[in-house]
Amino acid sequence: KQEVTQIPAALSVPEGENLVLNCSFTDSAIYNLQWFRQDPGKGLTSLLLIQSSQREQTSGRLNASLDKSSGRSTLYIAASQPGDSATYLCAVRPTAAGNKLTFGGGTRVLVKP
Amino acid sequence: GAVVSQHPSWVICKSGTSVKIECRSLDFQATTMFWYRQFPKQSLMLMATSNEGSKATYEQGVEKDKFLINHASLTLSTLTVTSAHPEDSSFYICSARVFQRVGTDTQYFGPGTRLTVL
Repeated sequence: KQEVTQIPAALSVPEGENLVLNCSFTDSAIYNLQWFRQDPGKGLTSLLLIQSSQREQTSGRLNASLDKSSGRSTLYIAASQPGDSATYLCAVRPTAAGNKLTFGGGTRVLVKP
Repeated sequence: GAVVSQHPSWVICKSGTSVKIECRSLDFQATTMFWYRQFPKQSLMLMATSNEGSKATYEQGVEKDKFLINHASLTLSTLTVTSAHPEDSSFYICSARVFQRVGTDTQYFGPGTRLTVL
């Protein structure tokens, strides 16, 4: 059974500092991995999706890397801003035909002005 | 972009009553919708997968008679929490799957519904 872990569970940084969020998964046989953002009391917004054949994806200040063999992904957020404060979730998809996503517990981020 | 809505956004009900939550894909047809449950400061747990025109597939440990799912059209799925109790209080999130071809489909998430059972 796939298990996804995110460490740390919470993170507080001053504005301008780079953020590094970690996601690990126990079964390396994944199809893709996705990072989401969730604001308090809201749904999920997809940030980046990395296919299993890819090593990284970038979007603006966000960069996500994937090391499938070691079961790890890292989300980097450069030059953090107070608006980046949210919970960040990673989720893995097992196969191309598989619908189900397995989510990590999330990392709650607070960027202090 | 693809938009998924949920209604209501929050609901408070008395113990023993039933509550219906709607999930709609506004600008696309979704052959599959998913229902998740999220407890405070915890991650999303998949409850069931709903396919249009067929019975939902429930995850292990989820009571199908407690959480009734109906996917009557390609744009609407409903979750009914029957005889709700305080332990059913949670944040319920749906997602809708846009199928293009195997491996390229994407799930779009709704804004969630907060259920509080008194």
